[in-house]
Amino acid sequence: DTEVTQTPKHLVMGMTNKKSLKCEQHMGHRAMYWYKQKAKKPPELMFVYSYEKLSINESVPSRFSPECPNSSLLNLHLHALQPEDSALYLCASSLEQGDSYEQYFGPGTRLTVT
Amino acid sequence: SQQGEEDPQALSIQEGENATMNCSYKTSINNLQWYRQNSGRGLVHLILIRSNEREKHSGRLRVTLDTSKKSSSLLITASRAADTASYFCATDAYAGGFKTIFGAGTRLFVKA
Repeated sequence: DTEVTQTPKHLVMGMTNKKSLKCEQHMGHRAMYWYKQKAKKPPELMFVYSYEKLSINESVPSRFSPECPNSSLLNLHLHALQPEDSALYLCASSLEQGDSYEQYFGPGTRLTVT
Repeated sequence: SQQGEEDPQALSIQEGENATMNCSYKTSINNLQWYRQNSGRGLVHLILIRSNEREKHSGRLRVTLDTSKKSSSLLITASRAADTASYFCATDAYAGGFKTIFGAGTRLFVKA
């Protein structure tokens, strides 16, 4: 199984809502990532978890809150988002953290904040 | 800030032609990777080239790396309509941990 799954595929939420994005992999990877991608732009790294510990936090606003309940799951909790947070949110995993390891990406969650 | 910058930003070619995309980066690297993204979907890893390698092949893909110029190129030979996608280079920069930075990307359109 070389798949990273993400749910939901699409999400529309108001600025006062609380929602969560979910990501799952069963490849035994120890590093998991959240990226944000705006239209016609490259993915931008938000968070990295390595061995279930937050390894990198790219000074993302606190309205985004990551959680890694176990080695296979990665969540991104959303609260009080702004319209500019509308984007494609990509989850990825790799065997270990670092550029020697290819990252496997999920299909993404298309988030629209109204 | 972007570690990698790519050119061209967009490329339109006929099926059967070759497509060349370039990527430049700013800091020293251990490895450089290329990824492909179909419209609005997740990225797919294409190839990894190490800093001590100058050229690498995988099927119709050829990647070169020039660490003295801090640049890499991706060549797709005999392109197909199915190659239509965005192509990104990616490197790691160390900032309290290794963080992956993607180049701006090249949008390739292959006309049948």
